[in-house]
Amino acid sequence: AIQMTQSPSSLSASVGDRVTINCRASQGIRNDLGWFQQKPGKAPKLLIYAASTLQSGVPSRFSGTGSGTDFTLTISSLQPEDFATYYCLQDYTYPRTFGQGTKVEIK
Amino acid sequence: QVQLVESGGGLVKPGGSLRLSCAASGFTFSDFYMSWIRQAPGKGLEWLAYISSSGSAKYHADSLKGRFTISRDNAKNSLYLQLNNLGAEDTAVYYCARDPPTVTLDYWGQGTLVTVSS
Repeated sequence: AIQMTQSPSSLSASVGDRVTINCRASQGIRNDLGWFQQKPGKAPKLLIYAASTLQSGVPSRFSGTGSGTDFTLTISSLQPEDFATYYCLQDYTYPRTFGQGTKVEIK
Repeated sequence: QVQLVESGGGLVKPGGSLRLSCAASGFTFSDFYMSWIRQAPGKGLEWLAYISSSGSAKYHADSLKGRFTISRDNAKNSLYLQLNNLGAEDTAVYYCARDPPTVTLDYWGQGTLVTVSS
């Protein structure tokens, strides 16, 4: 199975900060990667698919880049509602695999 | 609007079985692949299984060791996950999600909690 490694596992940031989260695949996955946001007690929400395409309704401060093995999720200006845990997911092949998550906390 | 509602979770003894259901509405269920994902308390997300739109193709995570089986009934707009020989490690919130090509897992249910304990 393809392993997805996210970094960092957690970070502290302030409102207005630029935040980047990285995800590395153990083998090439083209651009078959999604990013999800999860808040406590809630189901995950798709933010970005195909590595860089913003899901409908997701604010433009979220962006994704990357291809092959290295991917990045960027929040250009962190808002209060963005404090959450973020996961990457490869959908290149089965079994699908998630990264271990990055918790974004308030500094 | 797209809605997915899971049910069937609860407390079960080790070695027991459960069948989870996911009722879909707001879209043409028979057109879409579907998946199950779970999340143990305080842990990350684990993808479990997918099923094609017709039900003819399925894939289950190897870690399940054949204990879980995904199925669907398009006439009832419902997705299922049969859980057998449950252990404490299966305690988790189980989510169903719509799984279209490329736009992976675009809608999720609210989840149903399975607790395995004696």
